[in-house]
Amino acid sequence: DVKVTQSSRYLVKRTGEKVFLECVQDMDHENMFWYRQDPGLGLRLIYFSYDVKMKEKGDIPEGYSVSREKKERFSLILESASTNQTSMYLCASSTTQPYYGYTFGSGTRLTVV
Amino acid sequence: AQTVTQSQPEMSVQEAETVTLSCTYDTSENNYYLFWYKQPPSRQMILVIRQEAYKQQNATENRFSVNFQKAAKSFSLKISDSQLGDTAMYFCAFMRGNTGTASKLTFGTGTRLQVTL
Repeated sequence: DVKVTQSSRYLVKRTGEKVFLECVQDMDHENMFWYRQDPGLGLRLIYFSYDVKMKEKGDIPEGYSVSREKKERFSLILESASTNQTSMYLCASSTTQPYYGYTFGSGTRLTVV
Repeated sequence: AQTVTQSQPEMSVQEAETVTLSCTYDTSENNYYLFWYKQPPSRQMILVIRQEAYKQQNATENRFSVNFQKAAKSFSLKISDSQLGDTAMYFCAFMRGNTGTASKLTFGTGTRLQVTL
């Protein structure tokens, strides 16, 4: 069964900490994405990557960075966590064919205290 | 920029009944795709159904069907014979075709559907 795996289901971090959210896909997909999900706001794109070491900003990149050193792994980094980054974070991957949409991970619920 | 609007934050339907979830979008593109995703309490986003803009025929997947009105930029989801397992958050999403790099999904704010006995 193909999948996208997010390393943590729940995470609690302190304000100012550097936080790493990890995502691994086993489908050899070219594209990977990080979204955050907040009630009433839906899913908003933070960053995406279309190839190893290639990245582009999404709609809300402030306060975040990403790393894609290997095709299967896409990391989201909160350089200095703040309480307004408390949210659900969803990773997804896709092929180059838009028709197939995305495959999602099961999310990481991050709480910053 | 594309926008996707879901005007129904919450809906409720009785088991075995039919329910329709609304979605409108705004774009100047001619080549695009539309999707409905389901997110149950387990949080796993599941693709329910997809529609290619150049296809006039409405997509169907078992109990799920769409009413795609391209001129009106409307993409509603109909769930027939609702089941308790259909209880979830439903997201409508838009994707441009042929962008050259990664095709990004733009999501609506979601509709929470509760199926009751």
